Amino acid sequence: AQRVTQPEKLLSVFKGAPVELKCNYSYSGSPELFWYVQYSRQRLQLLLRHISRESIKGFTADLNKGETSFHLKKPFAQEEDSAMYYCALSGPGTYKYIFGTGTRLKVLA
Amino acid sequence: SAVISQKPSRDICQRGTSLTIQCQVDSQVTMMFWYRQQPGQSLTLIATANQGSEATYESGFVIDKFPISRPNLTFSTLTVSNMSPEDSSIYLCSVTPSGVKGYTFGSGTRLTVV
Repeated sequence: AQRVTQPEKLLSVFKGAPVELKCNYSYSGSPELFWYVQYSRQRLQLLLRHISRESIKGFTADLNKGETSFHLKKPFAQEEDSAMYYCALSGPGTYKYIFGTGTRLKVLA
Repeated sequence: SAVISQKPSRDICQRGTSLTIQCQVDSQVTMMFWYRQQPGQSLTLIATANQGSEATYESGFVIDKFPISRPNLTFSTLTVSNMSPEDSSIYLCSVTPSGVKGYTFGSGTRLTVV
């Protein structure tokens, strides 16, 4: 079955500490993986795509096909990183997405 | 990237009634998507709305319950019909800018059915 799992509903870290938001997926084939973020009172927005191998706001995510994971990482958390983060996948040739249940990140001062 | 205006932002409705949600995009897009996010749950795709053809519904969603219109390349509506408390959710409109994979979302409609 196609599935995205984010095992943590809430992750609290102190400012300046490293952050890792976990995402595991189940998909028969080669999916494209994404991270979306929703800041307080803002709409859901795309953070980064694995295919771009980019770093956005200091966040990176590496696709590990062996472990079927796409964890989101940042070496030093900032208070403004506090938000809801969703991992999502899409199959090749389709614009449909499967979303995880999300992880709320709280960065404490 | 595209800017989406979604209305209403929230509503409280009586069971048995219907609510139509509007989604307006500031540029022409081929596909528009409607998602539902039930409390504590993930986003679930309801249907894909293509201009000039009927919407394509995902498993578990039917046209009679969630009729969709797509009269042009910048506008779509989703109606939640004969509502029950189980329909209380956030409904989201999204688009994929041409040639780019990655959604742009509307601000969502928070629906409460009482």
